[in-house]
Amino acid sequence: EPEVTQTPSHQVTQMGQEVILRCVPISNHLYFYWYRQILGQKVEFLVSFYNNEISEKSEIFDDQFSVERPDGSNFTLKIRSTKLEDSAMYFCASSEARGRGEKLFFGSGTQLSVL
Amino acid sequence: SQQGEEDPQALSIQEGENATMNCSYKTSINNLQWYRQNSGRGLVHLILIRSNEREKHSGRLRVTLDTSKKSSSLLITASRAADTASYFCATVQTGANNLFFGTGTRLTVIP
Repeated sequence: EPEVTQTPSHQVTQMGQEVILRCVPISNHLYFYWYRQILGQKVEFLVSFYNNEISEKSEIFDDQFSVERPDGSNFTLKIRSTKLEDSAMYFCASSEARGRGEKLFFGSGTQLSVL
Repeated sequence: SQQGEEDPQALSIQEGENATMNCSYKTSINNLQWYRQNSGRGLVHLILIRSNEREKHSGRLRVTLDTSKKSSSLLITASRAADTASYFCATVQTGANNLFFGTGTRLTVIP
């Protein structure tokens, strides 16, 4: 069964450093998402991406965040200057069509620890 | 906020018993979905119910939706130890495109 893959599984960084989280969505999917989950808390929407541009973003997704689809397979989330509160599990997801009426396929996540 | 609230926050049952989890939300929706998350892992889609549906089944799962009360329930029948996980409801608001997740119910099935 096709799956969304994320790398790395764990990332440790110093506060103020830039990090790039990588995702390979399912190949025939058109819509891509990033969510995050702070330990023990709810899953929070960050951003959705379609046709090489951001479709929607949440208040969390400020100027420190950016997303990119540099080629036909990868989808990345960049945090320019990490803060302690960015520590969380970051999930990439993809869907064949928009969330309306369509299920999301999630990767296993990248655990980001900012020290 | 569109995000749902699950109830209870935690549920512990014996293997073989049924587990019922509830979800409430605040605005009109296009559909509601249930996801499962094993500890430290990604979310796995379980079932989707549209706003014009009242009940849906998938294997041992039964989902109901009451749009007048803005609530949904997930029933897992004949639970197994392997059902131990967190369960989240997620809604797609009418006119919107993205899923917003609730706070989750942590289910523990004791063998």
